[in-house]
Amino acid sequence: DIQMTQSPSTLSASVGDRVTITCRASQSISTWLAWYQQKPGRAPNLLIYKASSLESGVPSRFSGSGSGTEFTLTISSLQPDDSATYYCQQYNSYPLTFGGGTKVEI
Amino acid sequence: EVQLVQSGAEVKKPGESLKISCKGSGYSFASYWIAWVRQMPGKGLEWMGIIYPGDSDTRYSPSFQGQVTISADKSISTAYLQWNSLKASDTAMFYCARRGSSSEYFDYWGQGTLVTAPS
Repeated sequence: DIQMTQSPSTLSASVGDRVTITCRASQSISTWLAWYQQKPGRAPNLLIYKASSLESGVPSRFSGSGSGTEFTLTISSLQPDDSATYYCQQYNSYPLTFGGGTKVEI
Repeated sequence: EVQLVQSGAEVKKPGESLKISCKGSGYSFASYWIAWVRQMPGKGLEWMGIIYPGDSDTRYSPSFQGQVTISADKSISTAYLQWNSLKASDTAMFYCARRGSSSEYFDYWGQGTLVTAPS
């Protein structure tokens, strides 16, 4: 199985800050990576697919980059509504696996 | 509008059987894979398996193979997740999610079904 490791597990930032979350894969996954946002009591919501493609309707302050084993999710200007837990997911091979999550506190 | 609507919360005793559902609408249900994802209390997301309703082709995570059964009835646009004998450790939120048209990420999610099997 491909292990996905996110860092940090929690981060605290202020409105307007630039925030970066890292996701590392235990082996190369090319750009087969997605990012999701999950708010408490809600289902996850797709933000980014294929490492850097923004899902329709997602604010442009979210961006993704990376390939191979190292990936980042960046929020260019943190907003109050961005308080949530963020997960990466690899889809290079079965079983599909998620990172452990990064909780963003404002 | 694409929607996945899941069945309601369940409270069961360990050892009991259970089948939860996920009904799709607003798209061609038979043509998109549906996955099930577990989230234990306060924990992260775990992919359990996936089914193609068009022909019921199913793949399981090794962690869940033999523990659950995934099925679908394309005539009523519904996918299912089933346990023959629940354990207390099955207590979790379960989500269904639609696989994207081009690859294995998930573009639409159900609202979740909370399963509680207190010991």
